[in-house]
Amino acid sequence: EAEVAQSPRYKITEKSQAVAFWCDPISGHATLYWYRQILGQGPELLVQFQDESVVDDSQLPKDRFSAERLKGVDSTLKIQPAELGDSAMYLCASSLSSGQTYEQYFGPGTRLTVT
Amino acid sequence: SQKIEQNSEALNIQEGKTATLTCNYTNYSPAYLQWYRQDPGRGPVFLLLIRENEKEKRKERLKVTFDTTLKQSLFHITASQPADSATYLCALDIRNYGGSQGNLIFGKGTKLSVKP
Repeated sequence: EAEVAQSPRYKITEKSQAVAFWCDPISGHATLYWYRQILGQGPELLVQFQDESVVDDSQLPKDRFSAERLKGVDSTLKIQPAELGDSAMYLCASSLSSGQTYEQYFGPGTRLTVT
Repeated sequence: SQKIEQNSEALNIQEGKTATLTCNYTNYSPAYLQWYRQDPGRGPVFLLLIRENEKEKRKERLKVTFDTTLKQSLFHITASQPADSATYLCALDIRNYGGSQGNLIFGKGTKLSVKP
């Protein structure tokens, strides 16, 4: 069964350092999402891509976060510089863009700890 | 602003009983609502989607209802098993509220524990 791949699974970094996360969606899924999930909360959308274009980054802290999906397939989310409050689970999800339903398929996530 | 509430942070039930989880929302008229399961340290897994014009949806031991008048969805697991223990998240589509197609807002989730 096809899955969304993410790496690394765990990342520990010091504040003010740069960190990057990678996501490979399910083949054929045109829509890709990056979420942040704080312990005890639901996922919160950071950015949504349709193919290589950003369709929603209204909740992305653009002074320190950036995201790209250059060829419309895999994607990278970067934080520079990292802050203590960025410690969270970063989830990538993908979905088909056609049809009426938009169920999302999530990867295993990257657990970020900023010290 | 949009608001989603899942009725309780935790629900403990006995194996074999029916678990009922509640999702309430305000200031919305979502086109559809989704339920996900999340195990500790893992990403959410899609379970069911129900559209605004559907009253009820079933999948094996799962049943979801959607009452757009009450602005509420109920999620039922019948004949619950210890393996059903997880956090269950409801999510609403927000395309009618400035969101792009496919955008969801998630509730905080309800942690279900099924005791043998």
